[in-house]
Amino acid sequence: KAGVTQTPRYLIKTRGQQVTLSCSPISGHRSVSWYQQTPGQGLQFLFEYFSETQRNKGNFPGRFSGRQFSNSRSEMNVSTLELGDSALYLCASSLEQGPQETQYFGPGTRLLVL
Amino acid sequence: GNSVTQMEGPVTLSEEAFLTINCTYTATGYPSLFWYVQYPGEGLQLLLKATKADDKGSNKGFEATYRKETTSFHLEKGSVQVSDSAVYFCALTSTQGGSEKLVFGKGTKLTVNP
Repeated sequence: KAGVTQTPRYLIKTRGQQVTLSCSPISGHRSVSWYQQTPGQGLQFLFEYFSETQRNKGNFPGRFSGRQFSNSRSEMNVSTLELGDSALYLCASSLEQGPQETQYFGPGTRLLVL
Repeated sequence: GNSVTQMEGPVTLSEEAFLTINCTYTATGYPSLFWYVQYPGEGLQLLLKATKADDKGSNKGFEATYRKETTSFHLEKGSVQVSDSAVYFCALTSTQGGSEKLVFGKGTKLTVNP
């Protein structure tokens, strides 16, 4: 089975722009979660989607949003980018909803905001 | 909410040395506990998990026991290999404001020298 794929792998944006990141889960997985990884804050949970609905949400501002499509693929959008949004964004998929489920992570999208 | 504290790295060991990476947690209720590993340039992989007190998770020679009395989940391996060089993350499940998520420690970088 193919693993979790994320596109693009690297991205450079400037402050004020918006960005969309994409995640394709493992075939058959219905849940997709997003995490932000930075040297200072570590790994922080953004949100989880299951059956096209946001089921769980972390403590991030409304500039961070996401959606899930009927084929379970997910996109994450960040609007009005700030320098502090520079991070590695990781997507993880699991068979079912919830943090108890084993999460399978993609390699991440590294975003640099200038 | 629930939180995790793991020993700061980096940790440098020689091949075949004994490894311990400490992890303690603060939690209400009965969280599940996890160790994830991140190899260079890759996403995280689940290493092992334990879902209730006194459970021992094990995989690839690594072990960790869910100790409720000491609120700990220390990772151990009897004889490390160069291929074990990676960043290790302790994590637990957390429910806050009706939202469930995984909460990660800051990570411990392990380097094993031949």
